[in-house]
Amino acid sequence: RKEVEQDPGPFNVPEGATVAFNCTYSNSASQSFFWYRQDCRKEPKLLMSVYSSGNEDGRFTAQLNRASQYISLLIRDSKLSDSATYLCVVNPLSGGYNKLIFGAGTRLAVHP
Amino acid sequence: DTEVTQTPKHLVMGMTNKKSLKCEQHMGHRAMYWYKQKAKKPPELMFVYSYEKLSINESVPSRFSPECPNSSLLNLHLHALQPEDSALYLCASSPHEGGPSYEQYFGPGTRLTVT
Repeated sequence: RKEVEQDPGPFNVPEGATVAFNCTYSNSASQSFFWYRQDCRKEPKLLMSVYSSGNEDGRFTAQLNRASQYISLLIRDSKLSDSATYLCVVNPLSGGYNKLIFGAGTRLAVHP
Repeated sequence: DTEVTQTPKHLVMGMTNKKSLKCEQHMGHRAMYWYKQKAKKPPELMFVYSYEKLSINESVPSRFSPECPNSSLLNLHLHALQPEDSALYLCASSPHEGGPSYEQYFGPGTRLTVT
């Protein structure tokens, strides 16, 4: 089983749609969780950290369910500029080290 | 300003060449990282430096040699690479190494082609 698993893509949605990405992680001791977005041939950029209480940043909402080892990202009112690959990232803090484990990514394509 | 810079942006090198990749951050971060990313794959960790000391080497071949001259700079020295080493090499930094919730910030990467 992979350490971080994500929905297979691609997701093709019209502008204005709501889209949800899911992610599961295998290490129950994992401490921190993130969503990064990566545009084609660019570096990953931090989208948001994910907290146990859930958090929202504009059109983006992230949720964490520690009991189910499940992370989600909801994007409301999709824009063309949201087209990118979304990477679910977990820090298992193994041995105290800040080592990020990346999911394979889910590609989102928003069309007019 | 969450900026990590990397040079060069692109590099083409032969299998007998020696070259270096450079990374710089001025955010006062004390942990720096090298990742390798192949096309359509997620980044894979290569090395972690914490307070200028190497703390993680993910069993990377010795043809890759990292160096951290000071807390703002990170180099990756390349020697006798193979064509399969062609990839995007990403540098990242975070405030510290240990502890939860320390986001990592990535530089734009160096796209390396080994011929």
